[in-house]
Amino acid sequence: QKEVEQDPGPLSVPEGAIVSLNCTYSNSAFQYFMWYRQYSRKGPELLMYTYSSGNKEDGRFTAQVDKSSKYISLFIRDSQPSDSATYLCAMSGEPSGGSYIPTFGRGTSLIVHP
Amino acid sequence: NAGVTQTPKFRVLKTGQSMTLLCAQDMNHEYMYWYRQDPGMGLRLIHYSVGEGTTAKGEVPDGYNVSRLKKQNFLLGLESAAPSQTSVYFCASSSSRDRMAQHFGDGTRLSIL
Repeated sequence: QKEVEQDPGPLSVPEGAIVSLNCTYSNSAFQYFMWYRQYSRKGPELLMYTYSSGNKEDGRFTAQVDKSSKYISLFIRDSQPSDSATYLCAMSGEPSGGSYIPTFGRGTSLIVHP
Repeated sequence: NAGVTQTPKFRVLKTGQSMTLLCAQDMNHEYMYWYRQDPGMGLRLIHYSVGEGTTAKGEVPDGYNVSRLKKQNFLLGLESAAPSQTSVYFCASSSSRDRMAQHFGDGTRLSIL
């Protein structure tokens, strides 16, 4: 079992829908939880990250962490065709050797159709 | 405002050949990372550096070497390329003030025949 599990999809939704993307994890030492967006043939782009449990909102994006269930979610409100991309979750514990070393999920492919 | 620049963007090698991938960042970041991304595997860390002149192994370091002689550059070397090293390679950097926020380049697509 991988430390971070993420359904690869694809997830296809109509424009304007609320999208829910999820990851589960097994390592209870993870304290930082990140979401990246990756467009085709581009590098990942950090959307947001949270520390420990709780919610964080940034525009149409909301990240949610439930440490008791080892489950994190990214919600996208009013989804747009431009949101079509692969979404990667990543997690990290406390620094190792001076750096945070994230463990990435495989990514979920999202398609928002007009 | 280039951010993280990777050179080259594409390369095809024959088994046994060597090459160096270059990563350059113009954000004065202390931390730099090399990842590989394979279908169904996600991003895996090869090597990383917490400062000029320092390097450390990641999850999948075998077959790769790295050097960080200048703060802005992080080089990834393949001494004897193998087909298993066919992948997309990404470089990332982050600052000491916000180590969680990694900035990625657009990748180098490498095929080993």
